[in-house]
Amino acid sequence: DIQMTQSPSSLSASVGDRVTITCRASQSISSYLNWYQQKPGKAPKLLIYAASSLQSGVPSRFSGSGSGTDFTLTISSLQPEDFATYYCQQSYSTPRITFGQGTRLEIK
Amino acid sequence: QVTLKESGPVLVKPTETLTLTCTVSGFSLSNARMGVSWIRQPPGKALEWLAHIFSNDEKSYSTSLKSRLTISKDTSKSQVVLTMTNMDPVDTATYYCARRAFSPIKWSYYYYMDVWGKGTTVTVSS
Repeated sequence: DIQMTQSPSSLSASVGDRVTITCRASQSISSYLNWYQQKPGKAPKLLIYAASSLQSGVPSRFSGSGSGTDFTLTISSLQPEDFATYYCQQSYSTPRITFGQGTRLEIK
Repeated sequence: QVTLKESGPVLVKPTETLTLTCTVSGFSLSNARMGVSWIRQPPGKALEWLAHIFSNDEKSYSTSLKSRLTISKDTSKSQVVLTMTNMDPVDTATYYCARRAFSPIKWSYYYYMDVWGKGTTVTVSS
């Protein structure tokens, strides 16, 4: 199975900050990488697919980049509603998908 | 509007078999290239993919749980069913069903879970 490793595991930031979360795959996955946001008690929500394509309805302050094994999710200016846990997920071996361990974004 | 809704028991005993149902609306389980996966999340932990069923009824399972899982669908009822045998307290989790969708970009198809159910929490305890 393809292993996904996110860093950091947790992050404290303030409203208005620029935040970057990193995801690394255990092998090359081209651009088959998705990002999700999950708030407590809620299902994950798709933010980015194909490494850099913004899902419909997702604010443009979210962006994704990378290919091969290294990927990033960037939030350009944090808003109060962005404090959540973020997961990367590889779709290279779909439907056998795997997720990262998550990055918890907290208010500083 | 596409929706998925999980249903099943809240509490199961160790060694029992869990049966979960995902009822979908707004799309057909026979749509080509789409399908439905089951994904779980133990309390405070990460997401774990369990199983997937394709529109053509082909199935795929997590390697580590394959011997315990069965996924099936009833297209006429718009339902996907997951059974997991020999339940253990470590299987305590929120279980989600999600639709796998795709986008064609250049010469490839990119797949992602675009719509999720709200999840159903299952506790395994005697």
